[in-house]
Amino acid sequence: SAVISQKPSRDICQRGTSLTIQCQVDSQVTMMFWYRQQPGQSLTLIATANQGSEATYESGFVIDKFPISRPNLTFSTLTVSNMSPEDSSIYLCSVDTGAGGHGYTFGSGTRLTVV
Amino acid sequence: QKEVEQDPGPLSVPEGAIVSLNCTYSNSAFQYFMWYRQYSRKGPELLMYTYSSGNKEDGRFTAQVDKSSKYISLFIRDSQPSDSATYLCAMSNSGGSNYKLTFGKGTLLTVNP
Repeated sequence: SAVISQKPSRDICQRGTSLTIQCQVDSQVTMMFWYRQQPGQSLTLIATANQGSEATYESGFVIDKFPISRPNLTFSTLTVSNMSPEDSSIYLCSVDTGAGGHGYTFGSGTRLTVV
Repeated sequence: QKEVEQDPGPLSVPEGAIVSLNCTYSNSAFQYFMWYRQYSRKGPELLMYTYSSGNKEDGRFTAQVDKSSKYISLFIRDSQPSDSATYLCAMSNSGGSNYKLTFGKGTLLTVNP
């Protein structure tokens, strides 16, 4: 299965600033997914990123707050903009396992704290 | 009512115990059911997946799906301290490469030596 490298692994940011999270996959994938994992909450899909087209956002998430880039088939970035303490969370990128099954491979996540 | 309900625990058992983890769901369209294991400060990793109803076994792990009751389970036999992690159930209602997973909140399991 694919191996995902996600950077940074953690960061502490000031409110009002932005953070860009990078996700690198060791093989070409059609779709990449960005999730948020808040304490005590379910993993929640933020958006799906296809190469060469705009990301598709889930209800409650907007492009101005979470812009996504997908310049090629192995890389994507998620930016958390104009951060507030409520954005403190773990952000994860993932890809389809490609094994014909129904599961994703996840990166190790970015643990974001906004102060 | 949330689409997927999962008791967050925490669940603490002695080494060697049989562990039962469960999720219930409300969306009858779900057909694919998965269990993920997430170690502290790591991303979730796919443990098992099952299509429709029935059982699936992989070593010490058994996944069960009862669609009539909208209930899924993961059993861990002869539990080990290395099984200590958060276990997430996940479900989807479509196949192919464009599907969306709905996750439970996860159950924190500790296996004590």
